[in-house]
Amino acid sequence: SYVLTQPPSVSVAPGQTARTTCGGDNIGSKSVHWYQQKSGQAPVLVVYDDSDRPSGIPERFSGSNSGNTATLIISRVEAGDEADYYCQVWDRSSDHVVFGGGTKLTVL
Amino acid sequence: QLQLQESGSGLVKPSQTLSLTCAVSGGSVSSADYSWGWIRQPPGKGLEWIGYMYHSGSTYYNPSLKSRVTISVDSSQNQFSLRLSSVTAADTAVYYCARRSRWFDPWGQGTLVTVSS
Repeated sequence: SYVLTQPPSVSVAPGQTARTTCGGDNIGSKSVHWYQQKSGQAPVLVVYDDSDRPSGIPERFSGSNSGNTATLIISRVEAGDEADYYCQVWDRSSDHVVFGGGTKLTVL
Repeated sequence: QLQLQESGSGLVKPSQTLSLTCAVSGGSVSSADYSWGWIRQPPGKGLEWIGYMYHSGSTYYNPSLKSRVTISVDSSQNQFSLRLSSVTAADTAVYYCARRSRWFDPWGQGTLVTVSS
């Protein structure tokens, strides 16, 4: 089965740029979606199809995907961005959904 | 604006069947453009996909849960449901319902289900 690997944690100072990765075999050939989950809340979609933003999501959130790594980029990080971030793909060969293990973003 | 709301028993005894319903408002479960899915999150852990279903009846389940899971859609009530049989303590989690394109959006607020005698 397809596996997505995320680092457990990332730390960044306010105003800086946070980058968190999602690794998978030839993930660049798949569409990657990212979710933000704040403490005690349901996940919220922040990026879909590698780099598109749903309405209402700030332009500070962006993404890229190539080779074996997809990346979520958060510019001008704010204290309110502190959350767990999960990547997700759909494995077309099996029609199965796969989530990464999640990365906890800490704003210093 | 589409909204989803989970409901069901918050406490289930081991070996029994967990049953949850997701009520959909602001949209129709009969839409051919989307499927309807369930995801769970054990306390302090990450997200685990359970399965999803199209209105046409096609269903897709996580292989690790497939033998115990049933997802169904009720168009007359504009809702969809999850049944998970033979539960154990490992099935204790917050259960979320969500609309699925290739991604999940929006999500319900989630409901905690505890498996305990």
